[in-house]
Amino acid sequence: GESVGLHLPTLSVQEGDNSIINCAYSNSASDYFIWYKQESGKGPQFIIDIRSNMDKRQGQRVTVLLNKTVKHLSLQIAATQPGDSAVYFCAEKRGYSTLTFGKGTMLLVSP
Amino acid sequence: NAGVTQTPKFQVLKTGQSMTLQCAQDMNHNSMYWYRQDPGMGLRLIYYSASEGTTDKGEVPNGYNVSRLNKREFSLRLESAAPSQTSVYFCASSEYSSGEQYFGPGTRLTVT
Repeated sequence: GESVGLHLPTLSVQEGDNSIINCAYSNSASDYFIWYKQESGKGPQFIIDIRSNMDKRQGQRVTVLLNKTVKHLSLQIAATQPGDSAVYFCAEKRGYSTLTFGKGTMLLVSP
Repeated sequence: NAGVTQTPKFQVLKTGQSMTLQCAQDMNHNSMYWYRQDPGMGLRLIYYSASEGTTDKGEVPNGYNVSRLNKREFSLRLESAAPSQTSVYFCASSEYSSGEQYFGPGTRLTVT
């Protein structure tokens, strides 16, 4: 079936490094993508989104890249901080459908 | 604004017991959602309400019922709890069904 998945279940980085979290999607009709951050014991928190008519979008310290050719989404976090340690989920949707979430990648930032 | 609030935060049930999870949002959002999250898995949609007065099944609706009480509140009911329903339940809301969703803090439910 069509699904959203992640390449790496756990990513460990040093404080100050740049982090890249990857996500593959299988439905070329998906037109909207979101990255969420979930800290331990809390609900998911919106980070950044991108529509399929864009290939890059930047926020504060975060950048999302969309490669529709290979159906790949990535989240780049610049100058990673210990507070960035969390599970990151990508989610996708098509038109007015509901969001479909991937399984998540845990980002561990060590000082 | 409190955003999305959920009660209770924790609950332990015996098999066969019933309970209702409450959710409220103060953002004047039209759409509301209930998800469950199991270890090592992403969020799975149980039910959603695209607008006041409507509800629809999501990916995993069996064993659950929902009520969109008004624009602010969306409750999830387990009529006869089963151990397979042990999970963390999240409520979310969005301005429209196509938009960004805001999540509550979750309810951790254990069914023994």
